[in-house]
Amino acid sequence: AQSVTQLGSHVSVSEGALVLLRCNYSSSVPPYLFWYVQYPNQGLQLLLKYTSAATLVKGINGFEAEFKKSETSFHLTKPSAHMSDAAEYFCAVSSGGSYIPTFGRGTSLIVHP
Amino acid sequence: DAGVIQSPRHEVTEMGQEVTLRCKPISGHDYLFWYRQTMMRGLELLIYFNNNVPIDDSGMPEDRFSAKMPNASFSTLKIQPSEPRDSAVYFCASSYRGENTEAFFGQGTRLTVV
Repeated sequence: AQSVTQLGSHVSVSEGALVLLRCNYSSSVPPYLFWYVQYPNQGLQLLLKYTSAATLVKGINGFEAEFKKSETSFHLTKPSAHMSDAAEYFCAVSSGGSYIPTFGRGTSLIVHP
Repeated sequence: DAGVIQSPRHEVTEMGQEVTLRCKPISGHDYLFWYRQTMMRGLELLIYFNNNVPIDDSGMPEDRFSAKMPNASFSTLKIQPSEPRDSAVYFCASSYRGENTEAFFGQGTRLTVV
């Protein structure tokens, strides 16, 4: 079985501040992990994905995430928030021969000027 | 490729009416998913297909919901009869085979049942 927990349904930061969105996963086998972003009135689009090639994964728009097996975490970070980063962010996992991603509940990122 | 295409983008219907949502997946993708998104329940997987065959429909909330995929380039999600609690954004997504390949989402259909 696989599952994802995103800590914090809302995260609020000031423009220029560090962004940290937390994701912990549960999987009985090595997982594949994904972060998606959803802008208002749009579908989800891929930010980045971990496929075991490297533990630090860089994505679009300056985001990156680090896979930590010992902590079963895949937190998303960005050094400096921009107003345009305000969106809903989803962490997802697929593993064990399952091609079906399991999504977290999402974290809404709010960026203050 | 134009991506996953859903229609309509918005649908407003009266309670009791039949609603049909449509999806065209990305060419060559062999998995197709239907999701429902609400504030209360987040993103829920309703059903998914592999090579046009329904594999798991355990997420379909009631018998009022049905989905078909007559060919590799088209799928429908039907609600009959519709109820106000069906109001949500419905997403179609497609992917190709592997565990490490991401799902590509359509823009969604915002359904309002009044």
